[in-house]
Amino acid sequence: DTAVSQTPKYLVTQMGNDKSIKCEQNLGHDTMYWYKQDSKKFLKIMFSYNNKELIINETVPNRFSPKSPDKAHLNLHINSLELGDSAVYFCASSQRTGGSGYTFGSGTRLTVV
Amino acid sequence: GEDVEQSLFLSVREGDSSVINCTYTDSSSTYLYWYKQEPGAGLQLLTYIFSNMDMKQDQRLTVLLNKKDKHLSLRIADTQTGDSAIYFCAEINDYKLSFGAGTTVTVRA
Repeated sequence: DTAVSQTPKYLVTQMGNDKSIKCEQNLGHDTMYWYKQDSKKFLKIMFSYNNKELIINETVPNRFSPKSPDKAHLNLHINSLELGDSAVYFCASSQRTGGSGYTFGSGTRLTVV
Repeated sequence: GEDVEQSLFLSVREGDSSVINCTYTDSSSTYLYWYKQEPGAGLQLLTYIFSNMDMKQDQRLTVLLNKKDKHLSLRIADTQTGDSAIYFCAEINDYKLSFGAGTTVTVRA
């Protein structure tokens, strides 16, 4: 059973398109995250939701909009895709209290052409 | 991240020990973590240490924490080819996990 699953695994799209990445966790965690990993493998947090409430919103273009319909799901919608959006996007979840760390999904490789 | 620093590359012979070093800046971090990323894969939590501990051992992995110097290290004993990966150090602050740039470990025969 996959703990944190994201779809799709690969996404190739043209500039200007709008796309969504979905994420689901079955760990019963109350907090979910989106991270972006660039070509140099640097990981940067984008957003975090705790029980469907946005708690972290880093400096991210407003073309990126997260949506959390319930605490087990956190989707990422990207409007007007640009070449610089090409990266690997990771979803993660955790229990807000306690130090056992985040559980990551396997990533979505987005390529904008 | 600019708050967590690691050396970028480490080459080690199979069977030797690997030591990956990390420095962090936030002294209020309650936990510090080591994650492993294999090529094309997600991040796997390897181990973590509570900030009031100096050392934690888990099979081939030993984590050392020097809180005074804000220095964290990960030692992998008897390094195997399957240990080739990127290793990320991370600190947590206000529920936000911040990563270093990752150390690429290459194991040579």
